[in-house]
Amino acid sequence: DAKTTQPPSMDCAEGRAANLPCNHSTISGNEYVYWYRQIHSQGPQYIIHGLKNNETNEMASLIITEDRKSSTLILPHATLRDTAVYYCIVRAPLNFGNEKLTFGTGTRLTIIP
Amino acid sequence: DVKVTQSSRYLVKRTGEKVFLECVQDMDHENMFWYRQDPGLGLRLIYFSYDVKMKEKGDIPEGYSVSREKKERFSLILESASTNQTSMYLCASSLSQHNEKLFFGSGTQLSVL
Repeated sequence: DAKTTQPPSMDCAEGRAANLPCNHSTISGNEYVYWYRQIHSQGPQYIIHGLKNNETNEMASLIITEDRKSSTLILPHATLRDTAVYYCIVRAPLNFGNEKLTFGTGTRLTIIP
Repeated sequence: DVKVTQSSRYLVKRTGEKVFLECVQDMDHENMFWYRQDPGLGLRLIYFSYDVKMKEKGDIPEGYSVSREKKERFSLILESASTNQTSMYLCASSLSQHNEKLFFGSGTQLSVL
């Protein structure tokens, strides 16, 4: 699986959009970009994933650059409950015997009141 | 919602003890995973299973074994606990080979004294 690079920490004002970047310059053509977050003392929670098109769901939007070497997770109106560590992961579709999903150290996002 | 339940939130064991960490999921998921999480190291995959009685080594299997006798239950076993196995242990499940969205439990904080 391709390696990802994320800033270790970011702050965002409550009510503003939080934009979390992720670099994945070695991503392969069949690898998806996944985002998870981990709120303190809880297990990670799935947010969104995509291959090449931008994606949006009730939690966030995912913007993937045309060359797919980087992506941005957008939380449109950040609240204090969005304070968490955000993980960007890239991986190929599950193949038999290749179901590893590797998490890095993520970005610690702090929402400021 | 999918529920992944880990039997203990906190556990304290002595060096050399045999330790069982239990995980149960209630949504008939095929795949189950065990990770450990340590500060500065992110989540690291220990073992995973894609079917009953099947198991595959992850990135750090040494000192651990697993058991999956029933589809809903995946156990992590520390044959002889050591202090360097003090960690947060996270169990996760996913629906099938073609659906990689992981659902995590709340974690077990294991301290080995």
